[in-house]
Amino acid sequence: GNSVTQMEGPVTLSEEAFLTINCTYTATGYPSLFWYVQYPGEGLQLLLKATKADDKGSNKGFEATYRKETTSFHLEKGSVQVSDSAVYFCALSVSRRALTFGSGTRLQVQP
Amino acid sequence: GAVVSQHPSWVICKSGTSVKIECRSLDFQATTMFWYRQFPKQSLMLMATSNEGSKATYEQGVEKDKFLINHASLTLSTLTVTSAHPEDSSFYICSARDTGSETQYFGPGTRLLVL
Repeated sequence: GNSVTQMEGPVTLSEEAFLTINCTYTATGYPSLFWYVQYPGEGLQLLLKATKADDKGSNKGFEATYRKETTSFHLEKGSVQVSDSAVYFCALSVSRRALTFGSGTRLQVQP
Repeated sequence: GAVVSQHPSWVICKSGTSVKIECRSLDFQATTMFWYRQFPKQSLMLMATSNEGSKATYEQGVEKDKFLINHASLTLSTLTVTSAHPEDSSFYICSARDTGSETQYFGPGTRLLVL
């Protein structure tokens, strides 16, 4: 079956620190990979995606590269802000089916 | 960008009543919509896949007679929680897949509290 594993949180950083949230996956077939962000009390928003190996998704200073050889899709940002505080979900989809989510990683950025 | 709305955003009801939640894709057509459930501080769990004009496909362990799903048009899917009980209290989130795209767009969620 398909599964996504994320690093456990919470991750607490100071403003302007470098962020990495690890994500690895197992999948049957060729998945598309996604990062979603959930701000407090809100639904999920698509942050970025990659549909094939070596693709790099990027948005709002965040980026993640689809690494087939290591089955990973780690999320990075060079300088986090307080407004980035949220829960981040890594997810995959195979053949346009429903998303399989990781457990989510809570990020707390302190001023 | 693609927008998905849900209504209501929150609802409080008495045990034994039924609650209907609507999910609409506002600026695109969605042949397929998905319903997820999220417990506090946990990830999203897929409940069912809703296809326009056909019966929904439910995940293992989800009672189809309790969670009725109707996908009557390319822009609307509804989830009805029948005879709700306190254990049904949760955050229900829908998503809609833009026809021809693999990207799912999520609604803002509906928080249900059953007393």
